[in-house]
Amino acid sequence: DARVTQTPRHKVTEMGQEVTMRCQPILGHNTVFWYRQTMMQGLELLAYFRNRAPLDDSGMPKDRFSAEMPDATLATLKIQPSEPRDSAVYFCASGEGLAQYFGPGTRLTVL
Amino acid sequence: AQSVTQLGSHVSVSEGALVLLRCNYSSSVPPYLFWYVQYPNQGLQLLLKYTTGATLVKGINGFEAEFKKSETSFHLTKPSAHMSDAAEYFCAVSDNTDDYKLSFGAGTTVTVRA
Repeated sequence: DARVTQTPRHKVTEMGQEVTMRCQPILGHNTVFWYRQTMMQGLELLAYFRNRAPLDDSGMPKDRFSAEMPDATLATLKIQPSEPRDSAVYFCASGEGLAQYFGPGTRLTVL
Repeated sequence: AQSVTQLGSHVSVSEGALVLLRCNYSSSVPPYLFWYVQYPNQGLQLLLKYTTGATLVKGINGFEAEFKKSETSFHLTKPSAHMSDAAEYFCAVSDNTDDYKLSFGAGTTVTVRA
């Protein structure tokens, strides 16, 4: 049963620290999405890739967030420096075609 | 640009009763429509999707949804609620292009009373 995996599942850090979240998409999927979920804003699309190339990162705060796909099995989302307002659950999803399959998320708390 | 409105942020049903979750969309092109379910502390799981063809779509766990173009709706139903259906449900729309980006509704939390 192929699944999207994300690490870490939970992260608590202090303001100003760098945070790196990792995602392993389902093998063979050619699109990868990063979402952020908060109570106030709901689900927001941050960035997405197709065939490892970034297609749209307009949802990300450019000055502190960056997303990359070093290879087909790894996607990363970095925040540097982190701020308390970045506290949220970050989801990675992968897909091939219409359906997206979500990972379990990384719950980030920035103190 | 497409968008989704879910009517009712919280729905409470009795076990065995009908579950009805409402979703209306706006899209300038024929849409692709989705329902996802999120259980506590988990990611979203695809329940069902509509692309083309039959407007009544059946999904997992006994759920189904009907695409009604004239009403721009894609409501989700289940004839008989089970305790395990307690979760948050998201309607989503993608426009008919090849970038497959999804726009999600705000979600509806379902609680099931014994």
